Amino acid sequence: AQTVTQSQPEMSVQEAETVTLSCTYDTSESDYYLFWYKQPPSRQMILVIRQEAYKQQNATENRFSVNFQKAAKSFSLKISDSQLGDAAMYFCAYRSSFGTSYGKLTFGQGTILTVHP
Amino acid sequence: DGGITQSPKYLFRKEGQNVTLSCEQNLNHDAMYWYRQDPGQGLRLIYYSQIVNDFQKGDIAEGYSVSREKKESFPLTVTSAQKNPTAFYLCASSIASVQGGDTQYFGPGTRLTVL
Repeated sequence: AQTVTQSQPEMSVQEAETVTLSCTYDTSESDYYLFWYKQPPSRQMILVIRQEAYKQQNATENRFSVNFQKAAKSFSLKISDSQLGDAAMYFCAYRSSFGTSYGKLTFGQGTILTVHP
Repeated sequence: DGGITQSPKYLFRKEGQNVTLSCEQNLNHDAMYWYRQDPGQGLRLIYYSQIVNDFQKGDIAEGYSVSREKKESFPLTVTSAQKNPTAFYLCASSIASVQGGDTQYFGPGTRLTVL
């Protein structure tokens, strides 16, 4: 079974600075998908960014980018020019592409991000 | 507007009662999912359905039941057999694809409290 680990329960950053959230995962599959979701105080889960394992290029969405290291099974999220609205719980998630785990998202424990003005 | 709706937002249940949480989507998605979130933890999959009239158990299906009679709807029943049902419940949907990588979009959630 796949597992996802977020080793940083809490992180903080100054407004306009850059912060990196860590995520590692364990899998024996070669093809899969990775996601970062944001959960603000409203508790609505919002997709931040997605990465296909077969793509070597790191995904980027505006101020959000990832560092995907397939061999190391690492998938970190970098937030540049942090804004107060970035404050939330961030979850890393893994999704299988086939087999009995098809379609299932496995989540990490989450990292609470605080943004200081 | 297209999206996923969940109702009610807050739900209180007495011990021994069954309750049903509603999830509706108008995104024309084939696949729908139910997750449970406990305080300070990530989400865990309860049930999922890739197509109408078919569904599979997730990691923590015991004490829960679902139905998928319509593409738009995927209600979750929390039965009295669920020993610790107090939690936040999230419904999600996605396009079902052969490769299985489609993004899941989430509803606003239902907070269930057992009194």
